[in-house]
Amino acid sequence: NAGVMQNPRHLVRRRGQEARLRCSPMKGHSHVYWYRQLPEEGLKFMVYLQKENIIDESGMPKERFSAEFPKEGPSILRIQQVVRGDSAAYFCASSPTLTGASSYEQYFGPGTRLTVT
Amino acid sequence: QKEVEQNSGPLSVPEGAIASLNCTYSDRGSQSFFWYRQYSGKSPELIMFIYSNGDKEDGRFTAQLNKASQYVSLLIRDSQPSDSATYLCAVRGAGGFKTIFGAGTRLFVKA
Repeated sequence: NAGVMQNPRHLVRRRGQEARLRCSPMKGHSHVYWYRQLPEEGLKFMVYLQKENIIDESGMPKERFSAEFPKEGPSILRIQQVVRGDSAAYFCASSPTLTGASSYEQYFGPGTRLTVT
Repeated sequence: QKEVEQNSGPLSVPEGAIASLNCTYSDRGSQSFFWYRQYSGKSPELIMFIYSNGDKEDGRFTAQLNKASQYVSLLIRDSQPSDSATYLCAVRGAGGFKTIFGAGTRLFVKA
């Protein structure tokens, strides 16, 4: 499977627990984006990362949320002390190395549905 | 004003007709424009991208871009019931890496 992979696909957490969402980009892609989607709403940008660097985190809530994309392994979106309002679908997307205008398209993973009880 | 605006719909067209989906954006310096299709409960799927003014055709899909009017559209010819989905317009602004998505237009194609 050469597509973007995310796991777990479904995650249930109780209020106050931590949620860790993982994303492996497509082969050859070095850029990762995280989005949140509430039911019946559009995609909200959260963060853009390259290997070992956070490039743009302007969409990330200031508290409890963090993201990383280490040199080895998947990108991780971490939500500490989850609250019911964190329940949403979290999508990861990847894009190729930016070598030209045609490289900005993003390809999405299947998403992680987080439910906070 | 929202950065990327779409009519939420639903837009209902009969099978075989042309479906026209519209999107406007506020950042005049935007460089890249994308259309995604999202079925209920699924992830967005890239349909087309366009960077230059004019039309770009791919099969039954045509993307149209008018930067002067800050307007991008998607035409779906010979619409099929399987085209029923939410269509998301996405815009990458000038000088940045963030891609802003519209809220999407729901399309129903009636058999």
